[in-house]
Amino acid sequence: DGGITQSPKYLFRKEGQNVTLSCEQNLNHDAMYWYRQDPGQGLRLIYYSQIVNDFQKGDIAEGYSVSREKKESFPLTVTSAQKNPTAFYLCASSGIAGTDTGELFFGEGSRLTVL
Amino acid sequence: SQKIEQNSEALNIQEGKTATLTCNYTNYSPAYLQWYRQDPGRGPVFLLLIRENEKEKRKERLKVTFDTTLKQSLFHITASQPADSATYLCALDIGNTGKLIFGQGTTLQVKP
Repeated sequence: DGGITQSPKYLFRKEGQNVTLSCEQNLNHDAMYWYRQDPGQGLRLIYYSQIVNDFQKGDIAEGYSVSREKKESFPLTVTSAQKNPTAFYLCASSGIAGTDTGELFFGEGSRLTVL
Repeated sequence: SQKIEQNSEALNIQEGKTATLTCNYTNYSPAYLQWYRQDPGRGPVFLLLIRENEKEKRKERLKVTFDTTLKQSLFHITASQPADSATYLCALDIGNTGKLIFGQGTTLQVKP
């Protein structure tokens, strides 16, 4: 089945450690996104990529890094510089960035807890 | 900057009634506006998209309206069911960048 897969679903990390969240899609979508969701808040955009080997910062990029070496993969690294990393992380993809549909397909999310 | 506001208070209604959720935005009108459903601990799922030149869009028991004068979208679920209980998010585009910004969502609880 076509879809978008995030892993791991749950992740615990000690302060000072970097962690990488995986996001893979087999929908042949050009654009991919990472959002962060905190309780009672909407989704906030961390990074997005409209094409392979290119990505842009979203509204809360500080303390995060990404890469887009393959069309189907868009991993997110939460670095030790991120002051409050405990959150629910959502990866999404869409067909063609900038079109008038822009429907996002989301993964099931990764919940990161910093101990 | 563009902001979206959804009613942060939960909406509780009786089964069979119509649920109406509100999404207000500031500044410029987007080219389109989207609605998503999110269940606890899951990723959002796309429901409907409405373009700026459309007043209304329907899909089964769902209806979305878009008023660019009021800078508001309304999301209606008719004949609501307990299975409709979830958080509903509205989202709008930022120009033609492909970026979407989301409201904080409104939680709907449909009681049998």
